[in-house]
Formats: sequence, C-alpha cells, structure tokens
Amino acid sequence: GAVVSQHPSWVICKSGTSVKIECRSLDFQATTMFWYRQFPKQSLMLMATSNEGSKATYEQGVEKDKFLINHASLTLSTLTVTSAHPEDSSFYICSARDAGRQSSYEQYFGPGTRLTVT
Amino acid sequence: AQSVTQLDSQVPVFEEAPVELRCNYSSSVSVYLFWYVQYPNQGLQLLLKYLSGSTLVKGINGFEAEFNKSQTSFHLRKPSVHISDTAEYFCAVSVGSGGYQKVTFGIGTKLQVIP
Repeated sequence: GAVVSQHPSWVICKSGTSVKIECRSLDFQATTMFWYRQFPKQSLMLMATSNEGSKATYEQGVEKDKFLINHASLTLSTLTVTSAHPEDSSFYICSARDAGRQSSYEQYFGPGTRLTVT
Repeated sequence: AQSVTQLDSQVPVFEEAPVELRCNYSSSVSVYLFWYVQYPNQGLQLLLKYLSGSTLVKGINGFEAEFNKSQTSFHLRKPSVHISDTAEYFCAVSVGSGGYQKVTFGIGTKLQVIP
C-alpha cells in the first residue's frame, strides 16, 4: 500500500515550452502533497505544499507563476513548469501524506521526474 | 527553523562490515526524525522513523537508528552491510502537527559498499 506514482518519469523539452508533471496517490487519499526539487548530488528542496481544493503554499524563493501547482482531487496533484529554461532542468519529486493516517507523520514519495530543458 | 546536518557526504565500507551514518539536527521544538534511502534515479523510500517512545528504532533492511535528545543526533547503523545497500541516505526532521508538516532533509550520505 501507500504507492505514489509520477508521470512522466522523464521528459525533454525545448526552452520556452511548458511541461506538466502529475503526481498520483494510487491507494490512498492525500489531502496534502509536497513538491520537491533535487539538483545533482544535493538534497531535496521543498518547493511547495499542495492542499486539495485550495491554493498551494510556496517556499521562499520559489516563483509561483513559474511553477504552477494544482491539487484538484484527493489523489492527484500537478506541477506545471511554465516557459521552461535550461536552469529548470532538475529531478522533481512529489510526496503525499495519507489523509487517513495523519498521525504517522510519514510522507510517501513518488519515483521522481527527470526534466531536461534544451 | 529546523536544520539537519549529515556529517559525511560519502562513506565507503567493505561488504559485511558495520556502518554508521551520522545525523545531527537542530530545532527549537519537538521533532520527528526519519531516515530515507534513495537508489539512483528513484524516489525516496522510508527506512525508519522516530516519533516517540523507545529511542532505538528498527527499520527495514536491517537498519536501526538511535535518537539521542541530549546530543540532538539520530545516527543510522547497520551491523553488516550488503552490496545492495549502496545508495544515498537522507536524514530528515519534521516539525508541525495536524494538517501541517514541514520536512527538512539533510544533504545526504552516499554509502558505497565495496565487495
């Protein structure tokens, strides 16, 4: 149980285009999902917290107009990188908390999406 | 604000030898502590967590960690490593409660098991 999927697993796009990444909780409901970014040989940096049915909460320094987050249902959150540039190339990872197991304080991570902007 | 320090960026160890990956944290409030493992080009998998209770926590794959409040540490140990343990290990601290939780990750320790 507690599986989180991401789609696509990797994507290459041209500079100036937009890319959408999906994060799905497959066997549980997630009122809260998190989006992280990981640069090579670095740790995960929280970008934003996505709450179902409301606006995402962005971390300081993250451009909300560039990284659009939508959490339209209890099992799906999307991250859209708008007008992507080569510096946006990174490994994007989402995680989700099980709404039915808040007391576990555990986040379940997706497998990540490798974005390369040429 | 909380922070996590992983003191070793890389730890080489021979197969079947014991290993300890160090983690120290700082926080002005009570925290929950986690260790995650990441294999190449994959997401993170939870190894173990400390929420409360016994300070010695046992996780998957034979790993364990001990929470030491006085030293603000949560070191990860395994008595005998296997080749398949080669991966990156992240220590994380979480603060908050209820519907809000923020997790801060350490920079990671790359464990290299040498045959």
